[in-house]
Amino acid sequence: GESVGLHLPTLSVQEGDNSIINCAYSNSASDYFIWYKQESGKGPQFIIDIRSNMDKRQGQRVTVLLNKTVKHLSLQIAATQPGDSAVYFCAENTYNQAGTALIFGKGTTLSVSS
Amino acid sequence: SAVISQKPSRDICQRGTSLTIQCQVDSQVTMMFWYRQQPGQSLTLIATANQGSEATYESGFVIDKFPISRPNLTFSTLTVSNMSPEDSSIYLCSVGTGLSYEQYFGPGTRLTVT
Repeated sequence: GESVGLHLPTLSVQEGDNSIINCAYSNSASDYFIWYKQESGKGPQFIIDIRSNMDKRQGQRVTVLLNKTVKHLSLQIAATQPGDSAVYFCAENTYNQAGTALIFGKGTTLSVSS
Repeated sequence: SAVISQKPSRDICQRGTSLTIQCQVDSQVTMMFWYRQQPGQSLTLIATANQGSEATYESGFVIDKFPISRPNLTFSTLTVSNMSPEDSSIYLCSVGTGLSYEQYFGPGTRLTVT
């Protein structure tokens, strides 16, 4: 079936480093991808999205890269801060009976030490 | 983005009982979704609740176990029926704007079944 997964369950970095979180997806027909950040005890928070007609999209301190050839998605966080510590999920859009739905990957826990 | 609240934020329930979770949005939205997040896991879509139609359930989830109401464009409820310890999870509602595929999440309801 369709699935979205992340390469590493955990990532530890030092404050100020750049972080790269990876995600592999399986559905080549997916046309939209999102990265979410989930802090402990909270719901997922939208970070950045990208459509399949783009290779790269930049936000504030974050960049998402999409490689459709190998079905790979990555989230780059520049100058990582302790407040970036959270679980990061990628999600891809799919189409179902209700219209559209998001399929979430397994998540990567980012730990930032100062 | 919409502001989403959920009630209760957490609860401890006995097996065999039912719990109704409320999701309130501060603006009218077309699409509302209910997810389950088991401890340490990713998010799994339970159902899509669009106003004016029956909820659409994903594979593995049935209406008898997770009845959903969507009486208007700002409110939805999810009931977890005849609970067992395996239902212990975080239950999250999210909303879609309908303009794109992004979804915004509530803070979640942490359910523990003893």
